[in-house]
Amino acid sequence: QKEVEQDPGPLSVPEGAIVSLNCTYSNSAFQYFMWYRQYSRKGPELLMYTYSSGNKEDGRFTAQVDKSSKYISLFIRDSQPSDSATYLCAMITSGSRLTFGEGTQLTVNP
Amino acid sequence: EADIYQTPRYLVIGTGKKITLECSQTMGHDKMYWYQQDPGMELHLIHYSYGVNSTEKGDLSSESTVSRIRTEHFPLTLESARPSHTSQYLCASSGDSLYGYTFGSGTRLTVV
Repeated sequence: QKEVEQDPGPLSVPEGAIVSLNCTYSNSAFQYFMWYRQYSRKGPELLMYTYSSGNKEDGRFTAQVDKSSKYISLFIRDSQPSDSATYLCAMITSGSRLTFGEGTQLTVNP
Repeated sequence: EADIYQTPRYLVIGTGKKITLECSQTMGHDKMYWYQQDPGMELHLIHYSYGVNSTEKGDLSSESTVSRIRTEHFPLTLESARPSHTSQYLCASSGDSLYGYTFGSGTRLTVV
């Protein structure tokens, strides 16, 4: 069983929709949680990061962590065609390497 | 402006050729990584380094080798390329912050 499982895609939504991207994990030692965005033919770029359970907001993006359920989510409000990309969740314990989810490909249609 | 550079961006070579993919970073990061990613697929860690003269194999077995002679430079070498090596190779680095890695733009390798 993989340590990090990410909802499979692809996901296709109309412009303006609210998008929910989700990951679950099995290793309770994970302390730090990140979301990366990867455009086609580019490397992943860090989108958001968080440490504690709860919500963290940055513009149209909200990262949610529920450590008791071992579940993290990324919400995108008012989605735009420019949000079309692959989104990867990632998590880490202190002193270890990042563990990535498989990625969810999102397409926002104009 | 990118702080981690990968060259070449695209490479098409014949079977049996030796190739080196270059990766350099200007952030002074001690830790560097190589990932392999097929289109639409997940990232697979193939090599990593926590400092000069330190290299380790990653989670995915790879026929490639790496070296870390300078902090800023982490090249990956394939002694004899095969079509099965066709993939995208991503280099990344990280510093003291636990919040993630900085990735290069990748090298898309095609072996014909």
